[in-house]
Amino acid sequence: DGGITQSPKYLFRKEGQNVTLSCEQNLNHDAMYWYRQDPGQGLRLIYYSQIVNDFQKGDIAEGYSVSREKKESFPLTVTSAQKNPTAFYLCASSMLAGGRNEQFFGPGTRLTVL
Amino acid sequence: AQKITQTQPGMFVQEKEAVTLDCTYDTSDPSYGLFWYKQPSSGEMIFLIYQGSYDQQNATEGRYSLNFQKARKSANLVISASQLGDSAMYFCAMREGQESGGYNKLIFGAGTRLAVHP
Repeated sequence: DGGITQSPKYLFRKEGQNVTLSCEQNLNHDAMYWYRQDPGQGLRLIYYSQIVNDFQKGDIAEGYSVSREKKESFPLTVTSAQKNPTAFYLCASSMLAGGRNEQFFGPGTRLTVL
Repeated sequence: AQKITQTQPGMFVQEKEAVTLDCTYDTSDPSYGLFWYKQPSSGEMIFLIYQGSYDQQNATEGRYSLNFQKARKSANLVISASQLGDSAMYFCAMREGQESGGYNKLIFGAGTRLAVHP
């Protein structure tokens, strides 16, 4: 089955620690995205990538970093510089812009900073 | 400036009735796309329906239809014959134009929580 996997589902982090969230897709999509969702709010774009070894900052990139070494993978690192990292993180992928080309989402990772 | 506005934080509807979820948007780009997603309590985002700015007809996908009023910049989602499984958060999102390089960036509204009552 084609889709997007994210791991882990739940993640607990101590203050001052970096943590990496995994995102893998087998849909052969070129573009991948990371979003953050806070309780009762919509999604905000953190980073996005169109091709391997290229990525762009979204609206709230501070305190986060990404890599795109493979087309299928787009891991997100939440660094200690992120002041309020507790949130729900969603990864998505899509074909490039044009027409419908909706984004497909993974199941999400819920990060809690202790 | 907020580009996607969903003014209804919460809505409820009786099972088997229709419900309309409101969405207004703001853009100066003549080419854009509008999307609706459903987010159940599990958290995953599920694509429901798409409307392109140049589409002549309102989009429909099964029980979902989009009431697209371009001059008013509104793209309301209509769910017919509501089911208990429709209880979820619903998000309206917009993609502006053909981004340089082909990026497919979305801007999301704050969402509407729908509760379907038996």
